[in-house]
Formats: sequence, structure tokens, C-alpha cells
Amino acid sequence: GQNIDQPTEMTATEGAIVQINCTYQTSGFNGLFWYQQHAGEAPTFLSYNVLDGLEEKGRFSSFLSRSKGYSYLLLKELQMKDSASYLCALSGNTGKLIFGQGTTLQVKP
Amino acid sequence: DVKVTQSSRYLVKRTGEKVFLECVQDMDHENMFWYRQDPGLGLRLIYFSYDVKMKEKGDIPEGYSVSREKKERFSLILESASTNQTSMYLCASRSDGDSPLHFGNGTRLTVT
Repeated sequence: GQNIDQPTEMTATEGAIVQINCTYQTSGFNGLFWYQQHAGEAPTFLSYNVLDGLEEKGRFSSFLSRSKGYSYLLLKELQMKDSASYLCALSGNTGKLIFGQGTTLQVKP
Repeated sequence: DVKVTQSSRYLVKRTGEKVFLECVQDMDHENMFWYRQDPGLGLRLIYFSYDVKMKEKGDIPEGYSVSREKKERFSLILESASTNQTSMYLCASRSDGDSPLHFGNGTRLTVT
């Protein structure tokens, strides 16, 4: 089976850096996705990690350690518009994409 | 840009009704998915399809069925709607296992 764990809520200050963690257990692993979802909207793709290491994309970076079953999403120079839910999702060898419960991030001025 | 279109944004149905939720994608994607999203439970996979007429159960298929007669269309069917099926339903598609999902805007279904 698969199990994904993320913190439920986080709060951070505008301009700061925040790290959202995701730990997982799975029997078959292809890669790990991160999505952003604003309230009332559909999730949108942020990043995809297959190999260990850090992938940087502008203000957002994502890290993966396959041996530890661990990933994080790093958001730098936080803006108010970054207030959203961040979803970690496992892509397994069955074709399924399974999501964690999501982390709701609130950015305060 | 990939477009995934769900037929209704809001839907209100009565207990016991048969409900059809339709989803169409325009990028010739092989894989299509139906999720429901509930507060505190996140996105849960109901069914997915990797080809026309092919379907696989997700984590919560009970009370649902699906149909994929054409590559671009994936329908979710509630045979007899119940109040615990009140939820936000999200359809998504992707081309292969390493590609990101593209989501529709969702259908908020209320069963009374």
C-alpha cells in the first residue's frame, strides 16, 4: 500500500522562506509531484522529482530522497498570493497518482 | 494548453437519483482520473482509465462506476446517489506516468 504524510497547516510571513515536508511509504515508486491549489480552484502542477536531489524553479524548489521516503517543497521570498494548499502526490508503478491530505499555507503580512 | 472540461460546476441531486458527471480532455491523453476532494481528507482516487474501455479501481470505488467509450471522454456514474457522496469531484488527465495531471475545474455535487 501507500501512505503519505504532510503537515495540515503552516503559517509564514511575507518575504520569508518556508519548507513543506512530505514523507511517504510505498511499494512501487516512479516519482513525486507537488501541486498548488488555491481555495475554490483546481490543483496546478508545480514540480516533479524522480531522482534524488534538489530541483529549482524560480522561487520554488523541490527536494527528494528516495532512500528516506522524504520530499520537501521550499518556497522563497513568500508573497501573499502563495497562500494556498500544497499537495504532495506519489506516482507509482500501477499508473495511479495518490495524493497526501495537503498542507494549507497561510502567508501573513 | 491542455484543457480538461467538466460539464457542470455545480449540481444538486436527490438521494437515489442516478448521476452522470462528464469530463472531456482535448490533448489525446491516454490516462484519465476521477477524484473526490473533502475537507480533511484531501484528494481521493475513485477510478482511473489508461485506455478506451479500460478502467481500474482507485481507493474508494464503492458506489461509483465509470465509462470510457472514447479516448477524450471519461464519465463518472453514481448509480444511486447518497448524501455521503456530497463532495467536490475533480477529473484529470495525463499522457503517461511521468507527466503531470491536468485538472478540470471541478463539479461540486450536493445530494439532498
